[in-house]
Amino acid sequence: VQLVQSGAEVKKPGESLKISCKGSGYRFTSYWIAWVRQTPGKGLEWMGIIYPGDSDTIYSPSFQGQVTISADESIDTAYLQWTSLKASDTAMYYCARQPSSPRYCSDGDCYFDSWGQGTLVTVSS
Amino acid sequence: QSVLTQPPSVSAAPGQKVTISCSGSSSKIGSNYVSWYQQLPGTAPKLLIYEDDKRPSGIPDRFSGSKSGTSATLGITGLQTGDEADYYCGTWDSSLSAVWVFGGGTKVTVL
Repeated sequence: VQLVQSGAEVKKPGESLKISCKGSGYRFTSYWIAWVRQTPGKGLEWMGIIYPGDSDTIYSPSFQGQVTISADESIDTAYLQWTSLKASDTAMYYCARQPSSPRYCSDGDCYFDSWGQGTLVTVSS
Repeated sequence: QSVLTQPPSVSAAPGQKVTISCSGSSSKIGSNYVSWYQQLPGTAPKLLIYEDDKRPSGIPDRFSGSKSGTSATLGITGLQTGDEADYYCGTWDSSLSAVWVFGGGTKVTVL
């Protein structure tokens, strides 16, 4: 199992960006893919999650409307995108695989068993 | 301020044991399984413990997890220099907010 993310990005405020996470070594459409932000000040923050099999997506209220999570099952790739970046979006972003739907976490299989290597996004004028 | 509370740091000598606590609420740890992640410097997090106390394949039994009520604990025995890392707990929040939450992380230092 491997999740390979796209490379580091340097952008200006107001620019758009789409980063990717390509899965391999497993059936991509059978697992959920989450996006997690890491900043020095706030640690790990869960942004949202998508099921590539049907594109069912759940967003954290903190990130709803700020980013878009999508997936293309034909190329086993999930995406995280912004339409207008802010300096506060500067962070490391990780994708991570989750075996089960977050709607049934009390039943188990809710954990991140494989992580991408991270994509560093720097937003600066 | 993270939703799950962890001590910022713990330390011990090589060969000793450390425990890391993770406390939350009934809608979080009290209702859902807890997982733990190890983040070595400059690397992505890695799953260490899932469903409160299970170890993925390849994780040594020096690492253990437990849960009681609204608190969980990660234990590391036979501490090694290679265990120096940040450790995070995480769980689903079943309240109205319905999000995954992480603890603030604990830095383990091997003296």
